[in-house]
Amino acid sequence: QSVLTQPPSASGTPGQRVTISCSGSSSNIGSNTVNWYQQLPGTAPKLLIYSNNQRPSGVPDRFSGSKSGTSASLAISGLQSEDEADYYCAAWDDSLNGYAVFGGGTQLTVL
Amino acid sequence: QLQLQESGPGLVKPSETLSLTCTVSGGSISSSSYYWGWIRQPPGKGLEWIGSIYYSGSTYYNPSLKSRVTISVDTSKNQFSLKLSSVTAADTAVYYCARRHRSVMGYWGQGTLVTVSS
Repeated sequence: QSVLTQPPSASGTPGQRVTISCSGSSSNIGSNTVNWYQQLPGTAPKLLIYSNNQRPSGVPDRFSGSKSGTSASLAISGLQSEDEADYYCAAWDDSLNGYAVFGGGTQLTVL
Repeated sequence: QLQLQESGPGLVKPSETLSLTCTVSGGSISSSSYYWGWIRQPPGKGLEWIGSIYYSGSTYYNPSLKSRVTISVDTSKNQFSLKLSSVTAADTAVYYCARRHRSVMGYWGQGTLVTVSS
């Protein structure tokens, strides 16, 4: 079981807007920023969103992130076929000595 | 352009120690503000953070793996390493190395598959 909770799957049609949720607790999302990673099939994860809602250079503005309390969301607007991938949320957890935690991942299918 | 490359045996026997090295190029492992870490992904499953190290040797480990994990750094070679002891089939995974700034893992290696089997 992952420390952060994500839905295992999501889907949408091209052009649609989809959101992926990520739920945590006061020791992780509630007190630290959230990052999102995109993993295309057979490749290493790639940073998609950092510090809740910031995009690294090169990431299209179709991708956006938000955080409220102990939950966060990733939104993808104008869905494209190349967005079909696994998406992971992550945050630092302050419990014990501190460590990074991931969500279980959401497999996005573009119908 | 920063690049990270994992290397090490692809097959480890049960109860033995898994050893991997990550070589950093295009940047110094002694840069301040960055930690260097390991993440793994069992086949068909999600990501699990293993731990990370600062160039000075300061470490953070996943509490669930802490008793079996050692991460070390060799600044002269611009490398850092992972040792995971007493491995079982459950440790079979793709192992990634990555650079961490605060909680953000911005650069990743391509990953290396390690299979635990006799």
